[in-house]
Amino acid sequence: DADVTQTPRNRITKTGKRIMLECSQTKGHDRMYWYRQDPGLGLRLIYYSFDVKDINKGEISDGYSVSRQAQAKFSLSLESAIPNQTALYFCATSDLRFGLGELFFGEGSRLTVL
Amino acid sequence: TQLLEQSPQFLSIQEGENLTVYCNSSSVFSSLQWYRQEPGEGPVLLVTVVTGGEVKKLKRLTFQFGDARKDSSLHITAAQPGDTGLYLCAVSPNTGNQFYFGTGTSLTVIP
Repeated sequence: DADVTQTPRNRITKTGKRIMLECSQTKGHDRMYWYRQDPGLGLRLIYYSFDVKDINKGEISDGYSVSRQAQAKFSLSLESAIPNQTALYFCATSDLRFGLGELFFGEGSRLTVL
Repeated sequence: TQLLEQSPQFLSIQEGENLTVYCNSSSVFSSLQWYRQEPGEGPVLLVTVVTGGEVKKLKRLTFQFGDARKDSSLHITAAQPGDTGLYLCAVSPNTGNQFYFGTGTSLTVIP
């Protein structure tokens, strides 16, 4: 089983719908991140969390919200999806107790907003 | 404004050829990471470089951190189809807090 699991892996929705992407991890890491990937733009940070009570905005947080339900769970919500939120979304974890903070990624959630 | 610029954006080469991809910034960083992402998967860390001028080798891959710690290069010797993927550089300006990624180089190695 993957250490970082994202659900759903693929989702097609319509403009205006509320969407939640979920991430769970078994690595025991405190830090969790949500990234968005678009062709030619690399990975851009949406939100990150250092523990259950800590939530921070990243580069592109507008239109998104997150919830850290537990150390192992971090979900990303799109309250009212729009077509330019069509992208590949990645959850990642890290822990500074080990090295310089390597990121461990899930397999991604592909979201299409029509 | 993109913190890290990678070049080239796309690269298609024949098996056995050598190649170099670049990651550049106007800022100085304490460390820089290289990740490889294969189709349908998340990125996986290849290496972290921390010292200006540092060279690290991982089999046929050679990573160099610029003397001024503003840029890095990845050189692949005798590329193989298994090297195909998206190569991403990343930095953490606040040492392990936020991680920022470059625009990526998409490499295709043709058998």
